[in-house]
Amino acid sequence: NAGVTQTPKFQVLKTGQSMTLQCAQDMNHNSMYWYRQDPGMGLRLIYYSASEGTTDKGEVPNGYNVSRLNKREFSLRLESAAPSQTSVYFCASSEDGRYSNQPQHFGDGTRLSIL
Amino acid sequence: RKEVEQDPGPFNVPEGATVAFNCTYSNSASQSFFWYRQDCRKEPKLLMSVYSSGNEDGRFTAQLNRASQYISLLIRDSKLSDSATYLCVVYNFNKFYFGSGTKLNVKP
Repeated sequence: NAGVTQTPKFQVLKTGQSMTLQCAQDMNHNSMYWYRQDPGMGLRLIYYSASEGTTDKGEVPNGYNVSRLNKREFSLRLESAAPSQTSVYFCASSEDGRYSNQPQHFGDGTRLSIL
Repeated sequence: RKEVEQDPGPFNVPEGATVAFNCTYSNSASQSFFWYRQDCRKEPKLLMSVYSSGNEDGRFTAQLNRASQYISLLIRDSKLSDSATYLCVVYNFNKFYFGSGTKLNVKP
């Protein structure tokens, strides 16, 4: 079972470049999330989508945009990359974020370095 | 104040030891609770959900104390393979809140 698939797994960008991180889940989950994790810190929520067609800001949305393309796919875009966005990015999904008690499932991450 | 707080550790224990982690959360209306395990540079993986009455899965026992707003994880008979970072996760109002994690090192 694929679960949550993220692409690419690694990427190096120059400051000012743009790129899109892709995420797809095959579990028919309604809710999808993007997090970043920096060394020695917990996961911080960037954006989430409670259902197809909706997106909401999380704790650290500045510098990012998202698109919930359909129920399966949730992409994260960096329009003008900055060194402060160097991080590991995780996508996650859960069955129904509105009603609790269903855990999240994570992709294996995208390691992004911005020079 | 952070939504979820954990002692970062590290907890260094010998094989076979029993070790316990606590986690506190700030929002009394929090709805669901989980423990995740994260290995170095890998994605978090669900270890267990935490139920109001407490629950056990093999060597792992989770407890929830709503009155004091904390969650605990007890690991018995520690194995080398238990070495990892353990993340406390609290769900409320459509979002999951993660603690920074507690690092466990199990030594031979």
